[in-house]
Amino acid sequence: QVQLQESGPGLVKPSGTLSLTCTVSGGSISSDNWWSWVRQPPGKGLEWIGEINQGRGTNYNPSLKSRVIISVDRSKNQFSLTLTSVTAADTAVYFCSGGTVGVWELLHYWGQGTLVTVSS
Amino acid sequence: DIVMTQSPDSLAVSLGERATINCESSQSVLYSSNNKNYLAWYQQKPGQPPKVLFYWASTRESGVPDRFSGSGSGTDFTLTISSLQAEDVAVYYCQQYYRPPRTFGQGTRVEI
Repeated sequence: QVQLQESGPGLVKPSGTLSLTCTVSGGSISSDNWWSWVRQPPGKGLEWIGEINQGRGTNYNPSLKSRVIISVDRSKNQFSLTLTSVTAADTAVYFCSGGTVGVWELLHYWGQGTLVTVSS
Repeated sequence: DIVMTQSPDSLAVSLGERATINCESSQSVLYSSNNKNYLAWYQQKPGQPPKVLFYWASTRESGVPDRFSGSGSGTDFTLTISSLQAEDVAVYYCQQYYRPPRTFGQGTRVEI
């Protein structure tokens, strides 16, 4: 069973850079799958941040595109999120997610999520 | 972007009664070449990540009770809970994965 686990700082200063890593276990970061990041501000709904597929590149939410980079480290079976110039509006629980055979774009597997607070 | 709109925002249903959630997409999410609707439903309970209930609009994820059903095509979709149980209290989201950005509806809170 594929499992995902987010890791990274829980507190980031305004104007700083948010960096999170998702470690995939129980399976490999294959070139078929889309690996995604989703966030959820406290008490609010889900926002799709972006995705990466090793063979097909990246897609980002236009609202965040100028500040987001998603990358893969196949040797570590990890993928990462970098969000620059953060503000309080970026405070959220950040989830990583991945697809499954036959539905690679689906957010099938999820990490437990990690709360990132933007505050000085 | 494809805008996903759910209705209602919240609903209260008695135990054993039916709950119906609607989801409308601003553009069709039906891919004509394979006749599949790129629409998923998720259930999220407090403090937990979302869990897939349905994909391809009506394909039930393994382990999801059959009191849950998904239907619809094109731009209009429905999630139905035929007989609400206490453990079904949650927020439900639809999401299109037809094309990026893979947008979510705003969520529907289901309460007893």
